[in-house]
Amino acid sequence: EAGVTQFPSHSVIEKGQTVTLRCDPISGHDNLYWYRRVMGKEIKFLLHFVKESKQDESGMPNNRFLAERTGGTYSTLKVQPAELEDSGVYFCASSQVPGGGQPSGANVLTFGAGSRLTVL
Amino acid sequence: AQSVTQLGSHVSVSEGALVLLRCNYSSSVPPYLFWYVQYPNQGLQLLLKYTSAATLVKGINGFEAEFKKSETSFHLTKPSAHMSDAAEYFCAVTLTNFGNEKLTFGTGTRLTIIP
Repeated sequence: EAGVTQFPSHSVIEKGQTVTLRCDPISGHDNLYWYRRVMGKEIKFLLHFVKESKQDESGMPNNRFLAERTGGTYSTLKVQPAELEDSGVYFCASSQVPGGGQPSGANVLTFGAGSRLTVL
Repeated sequence: AQSVTQLGSHVSVSEGALVLLRCNYSSSVPPYLFWYVQYPNQGLQLLLKYTSAATLVKGINGFEAEFKKSETSFHLTKPSAHMSDAAEYFCAVTLTNFGNEKLTFGTGTRLTIIP
């Protein structure tokens, strides 16, 4: 089974430019999450999709960030215009919607290797 | 609301020595707790999870963690460190509410193994 794939693995852009990060979740996983780790700090939740719908975008820093998941498959995270403080590693994760009454909180997320963004 | 504190951003142990990585949590409801590991150039990989069954949880690669409610801790241990254990380790918590997989992570602990 292919894992969660993210690209690019590393992107270097200048302040004010636009970058689009892509995440391909595991096939059949309806849940898709974006997280971000700024240098030396904790990994923080950005948002959660169930299929193509945004379930929770409470972690999105500001309106320069736009996430989409067209057709409920892959997802993109666009930063426009990028600022210096956007530098960090952006992780994508996916999971299946649990069945049989199992609580979602116990579900395990599968993470991608991350996309490192450097804004100069 | 929930939070996680990992004591020690860097830990060094000798090969063959005990590994102890500390994690304390704060949660308003009974939590689910996780340890993830990130090897260089790889994604986060689940080591183990606590989901209110046995308080001593065994994971992959010889790691285990014990949930101690009285101490609000979930420390990760391995009896004998191996060079391949060098990585960054993250403790995370989520709530037991249905429909919530949102993880809250600690700041991570980078483990170095001394030959």
